[in-house]
Amino acid sequence: NAGVTQTPKFRILKIGQSMTLQCTQDMNHNYMYWYRQDPGMGLKLIYYSVGAGITDKGEVPNGYNVSRSTTEDFPLRLELAAPSQTSVYFCASSYTPGQGVAEAFFGQGTRLTVV
Amino acid sequence: ELKVEQNPLFLSMQEGKNYTIYCNYSTTSDRLYWYRQDPGKSLESLFVLLSNGAVKQEGRLMASLDTKARLSTLHITAAVHDLSATYFCAVDGRRGGSEKLVFGKGTKLTVNP
Repeated sequence: NAGVTQTPKFRILKIGQSMTLQCTQDMNHNYMYWYRQDPGMGLKLIYYSVGAGITDKGEVPNGYNVSRSTTEDFPLRLELAAPSQTSVYFCASSYTPGQGVAEAFFGQGTRLTVV
Repeated sequence: ELKVEQNPLFLSMQEGKNYTIYCNYSTTSDRLYWYRQDPGKSLESLFVLLSNGAVKQEGRLMASLDTKARLSTLHITAAVHDLSATYFCAVDGRRGGSEKLVFGKGTKLTVNP
């Protein structure tokens, strides 16, 4: 069982370039999340999705876009990369048993450097 | 809006000592999760607390949930160096009107010999 898979694991971008961080999960979870974690800091929610076709902004969405065309995939698009986007990006998924949200399962992260 | 506060944010302790990390949250919820993150690694699920009074233990760590007080604690008994990591709590925000999990800022624990 692969769980949550992120690609790539590492990437260096030049200022102004664009890229897509891929995230896929094989647990049939309806919720998916993108977080960024700056060095020595906590998690900041970028975007999340409660199901295919539904996405919503988190606390730091500027400079990013997402789509959720399938249950399994939740790619994060960076347009016009800036040094402030240097961070580690985590994708996570969870499901909704009854009225609640279950624990999130995390991918291994993508370490992005913008130079 | 659901807010989750952890304290302390940094904790340095000696091996063999006991300590408690606190996780307070601001709106109704009865689901809370604890995670561990080692340096350079992803987050790993530690405990799932699903009701008032829930208590879970694994090794030297014990987590509890008091939904009336909106408080969870992570108690460390006789700390060892291997417990050095950052610990996050996350709260299910659905009952409070937030359609997602909300994380605390994390507690960086360092256990010194």
